[in-house]
Amino acid sequence: GQNIDQPTEMTATEGAIVQINCTYQTSGFNGLFWYQQHAGEAPTFLSYNVLDGLEEKGRFSSFLSRSKGYSYLLLKELQMKDSASYLCALTGGGNKLTFGTGTQLKVEL
Amino acid sequence: DGGITQSPKYLFRKEGQNVTLSCEQNLNHDAMYWYRQDPGQGLRLIYYSQIVNDFQKGDIAEGYSVSREKKESFPLTVTSAQKNPTAFYLCASSPQGSGNTIYFGEGSWLTVV
Repeated sequence: GQNIDQPTEMTATEGAIVQINCTYQTSGFNGLFWYQQHAGEAPTFLSYNVLDGLEEKGRFSSFLSRSKGYSYLLLKELQMKDSASYLCALTGGGNKLTFGTGTQLKVEL
Repeated sequence: DGGITQSPKYLFRKEGQNVTLSCEQNLNHDAMYWYRQDPGQGLRLIYYSQIVNDFQKGDIAEGYSVSREKKESFPLTVTSAQKNPTAFYLCASSPQGSGNTIYFGEGSWLTVV
């Protein structure tokens, strides 16, 4: 099976940088996704990591280390609209996604 | 516009009733999925289908049923056997093969009254 852990909540200041961590224990996976979800809405795709290292996409970056069982999502120049839940998910056979419980990020002035 | 359409957005179910949630996609995706989300929790996989006329159970399939008679449609029935059905239900689809981005519908809220 797969066990995915994320902090439940985080708070950060507008304009700052925040790092959301995701640790996992699994026998194997194809890749790791990060999704953003605003309350009551569908998750939207942010990033996908297959190889170790950093993937950068504008204000958002995601990092993966398979040997350490660890990923993080880095959000720069935080905006109020970034207040949302951030979901880490592993993809296995059949493109099934197994999600962590998500991290609720609150951006304050 | 291409996308995934779920209906209804809000649904109320009486105890002992079966209800069906609709999911239609015009993205020509082979794979479709149903997830359940409870307040403050992550998504859990109910059923998934990688091809027409075939589907597999996910982690929490008990009390649910699906069909995949057409590529674009993957309806979910919440049966009376599901004892705690109140939740947010999300349908998703993706091209076949690992690593392809999974796209979600807008979700359906089901409440037992």
